[in-house]
Amino acid sequence: DTGVSQNPRHKITKRGQNVTFRCDPISEHNRLYWYRQTLGQGPEFLTYFQNEAQLEKSRLLSDRFSAERPKGSFSTLEIQRTEQGDSAMYLCASSLFVGYGYTFGSGTRLTVV
Amino acid sequence: DQQVKQNSPSLSVQEGRISILNCDYTNSMFDYFLWYKKYPAEGPTFLISISSIKDKNEDGRFTVFLNKSAKHLSLHIVPSQPGDSAVYFCAATFMNRDDKIIFGKGTRLHILP
Repeated sequence: DTGVSQNPRHKITKRGQNVTFRCDPISEHNRLYWYRQTLGQGPEFLTYFQNEAQLEKSRLLSDRFSAERPKGSFSTLEIQRTEQGDSAMYLCASSLFVGYGYTFGSGTRLTVV
Repeated sequence: DQQVKQNSPSLSVQEGRISILNCDYTNSMFDYFLWYKKYPAEGPTFLISISSIKDKNEDGRFTVFLNKSAKHLSLHIVPSQPGDSAVYFCAATFMNRDDKIIFGKGTRLHILP
């Protein structure tokens, strides 16, 4: 088990383009989380899945954002019509139970130019 | 409405001395607290946690203290080592609801030679 894997590590895109990130969690973890981190801030919650069900979405997740976790395995986060304010590190984490803490991936750094 | 607050953006400590990182929270219903450590270009890694039924938890050089009446927790690192230089995030959650983790903004710790 190599931990939580996120791809790509870096993404530079032009404003208005769509981008998609992928997260592969630890295989036995049924919970998967997406967070966003900007400079000088801590990770901010975006959404989470328990198996394939998306159980909560933050108000930070505008209608340009969509996340999926088909079959309760990997997850994708898509941002449509990217804006410069979307530039951030997007972190994925997985866990069996929140009390055990999360295992984070290394993140995808998005730069919108 | 920052529920978890880390009021010191940075802290410098001499190698071998004690590092004390502080954290305050506003929601008295939080029942589980965690500290994460983050190096540049990596995701946060879990360091230590404490349940609200305890006031201290120790793991090697790391000790977390919880003062529920003051809604305050602290992380003590002793002795501080060069590899401890990183950003430290305080976090809290509602384990009785199996809810998401909420992070503070982080404190950057510099260990001086």
